[in-house]
Amino acid sequence: AQKVTQAQTEISVVEKEDVTLDCVYETRDTTYYLFWYKQPPSGELVFLIRRNSFDEQNEISGRYSWNFQKSTSSFNFTITASQVVDSAVYFCALSPMDSSYKLIFGSGTRLLVRP
Amino acid sequence: DGGITQSPKYLFRKEGQNVTLSCEQNLNHDAMYWYRQDPGQGLRLIYYSQIVNDFQKGDIAEGYSVSREKKESFPLTVTSAQKNPTAFYLCASSPSPSGGHPFYNEQFFGPGTRLTVL
Repeated sequence: AQKVTQAQTEISVVEKEDVTLDCVYETRDTTYYLFWYKQPPSGELVFLIRRNSFDEQNEISGRYSWNFQKSTSSFNFTITASQVVDSAVYFCALSPMDSSYKLIFGSGTRLLVRP
Repeated sequence: DGGITQSPKYLFRKEGQNVTLSCEQNLNHDAMYWYRQDPGQGLRLIYYSQIVNDFQKGDIAEGYSVSREKKESFPLTVTSAQKNPTAFYLCASSPSPSGGHPFYNEQFFGPGTRLTVL
């Protein structure tokens, strides 16, 4: 079975703190994609990053960074120096590299950044 | 601007009525999807379509129906058979991998429709 687990339901931090959102996935596929999406209060999902299973390099984009570890089936997301605008629900998702085109979502982590 | 539009943003219906949610995209994407989101939960796949005139059931298709007569449009009908239809509905699209698109399987989402059954 394929599954994505985001164990942190809600996280609250004070502005400028660093915060890491955890994502653990399960799949028997050897090839797959992993994603992170942000859902602000408006509701629309915003794409943040896509990573394929062959590429375990960590990635940094401004204040955002991602740590992909195949050995522990984890794809964690860190926000450095958090800002109030980072407050949102963040979803991790898994997609097999087949013709189904499906995305399997975790239950999301609500991040609240307080001023 | 290219993107996905969903209408209406808020929708109210009486119990027992069918209602259709609109989803239109001008991204020239082959694949389109409908997801349902309940409070505190992730997105669950209702239906998806990889090509015009073809669609497949997702994980929670019961009580829903779709059509895909045009590449740009993928309307979702919530029927009276859906036991608990109050939810937030999101439409998405993605390019087909056959075109060699570098963002294979990246789904782009619309702004969503919040359906409330009174």
